[in-house]
Amino acid sequence: GAGVSQSPSNKVTEKGKDVELRCDPISGHTALYWYRQSLGQGLEFLIYFQGNSAPDKSGLPSDRFSAERTGGSVSTLTIQRTQQEDSAVYLCASSLETGGYTFGSGTRLTVV
Amino acid sequence: AQSVTQPDIHITVSEGASLELRCNYSYGATPYLFWYVQSPGQGLQLLLKYFSGDTLVQGIKGFEAEFKRGQSSFNLRKPSVHWSDAAEYFCAVGLQGFNKFYFGSGTKLNVKP
Repeated sequence: GAGVSQSPSNKVTEKGKDVELRCDPISGHTALYWYRQSLGQGLEFLIYFQGNSAPDKSGLPSDRFSAERTGGSVSTLTIQRTQQEDSAVYLCASSLETGGYTFGSGTRLTVV
Repeated sequence: AQSVTQPDIHITVSEGASLELRCNYSYGATPYLFWYVQSPGQGLQLLLKYFSGDTLVQGIKGFEAEFKRGQSSFNLRKPSVHWSDAAEYFCAVGLQGFNKFYFGSGTKLNVKP
């Protein structure tokens, strides 16, 4: 596609439920990143995929968070047993080369 | 530890005035440097980036930034601000050869008519 597409744009979930956030990167972009932006905070790196290499998961805040990237394209970020502190905007970005990502518009997650 | 500092949380300037947003980083090696802008309810848009070469980088929307190695800074500037520039601005830094980028906490820009 023309840009990075994320869905849903907004998600409200009850504490303890699992959620899945989807990212569809720009076609041909080999690198895909997930970041989290909490209210009043900067962007927190979560996970990075590059081609067929093992992902860099060093930013995932707990084992409730996981992500997959199928076929080198679409990625899904899963949060299990959501907590209120998980409320944030989850941003996906992709790039063709190192640096200069293109970001999606994000998924605003609210845990109530 | 690596860090990116944007010391100004909020800045207010009058329309037509000049603007400088500060960014300082702490890394041992030559970094990649970026500025992004985020309008309310929108995703992040890349304004400009520095990889190497000329330390004065021109970006979109009339923005520029200058890499000053000795000061570990990459300040964003615009000679004349427009009301549509009101947004939040993020500085980001990455190490060459690595693919994890660190973002500052952002500077919110308000533009007075």
